Amino acid sequence: QSVLTQPPSASGTPGQRVAISCSGSRSNIGSSTVNWYQQLPGTAPKLLMYSNNQRPSGVPDRFSGSKSGTSASLAISGLQSEDEADYYCATWDDSLNGPVFGGGTKLTVL
Amino acid sequence: EVQLVESGGGLVKPGGSLRLSCVAYEFSFGDYTMNWVRQAPGKGLEWVSAISSGGGYIYYVDSVKGRFTISRDNAKKTVFLQMKRLRAEDTAVYYCARGVVDYSLDLWGQGTLVTVSS
Repeated sequence: QSVLTQPPSASGTPGQRVAISCSGSRSNIGSSTVNWYQQLPGTAPKLLMYSNNQRPSGVPDRFSGSKSGTSASLAISGLQSEDEADYYCATWDDSLNGPVFGGGTKLTVL
Repeated sequence: EVQLVESGGGLVKPGGSLRLSCVAYEFSFGDYTMNWVRQAPGKGLEWVSAISSGGGYIYYVDSVKGRFTISRDNAKKTVFLQMKRLRAEDTAVYYCARGVVDYSLDLWGQGTLVTVSS
């Protein structure tokens, strides 16, 4: 059971906008920034968003991130079939004195 | 090419030991915190261990404390994960990853599979 809670699944149709939530507490999201990772089937994870809302070079601007209080969200607009993947949020936890991942959300493009 | 390449995974019996290695290519290895993240079959990601650029800060998830040891050799651009007293629940793909701003991991290796089974 992760300290960061994500919905196990999400879905959308091509072109749609979807959002994936990540809920934590004051000791993690409430006091640190959030990063997001995308893991395509059978591959290593890839950094998708860092410092709440910063996109690494090469990540399309269809992806956006936000944080409010003890929750964060990853939004994908103009959904494409190649966005079908697992998405993980991550941050630092002061209580655990270490970094933590969310449980992951499997995104299906219908 | 900028990349990380892990090795050392394999099949080991419960209670056994294994040493993972991760070699860095084409970047200034000594400037970065290095991390090990694992993923059990069909499960999510779990941060296992981290070591700062100079080795002065080391982190372990509670479940591996006292059994796993992270170390690095900046001259050889390599980070290691020595795993002892392995358990079935340590079975996973182990990824090496480079740490950058705000604990984000911007470069990952391809992973090496560790299977603990009798």
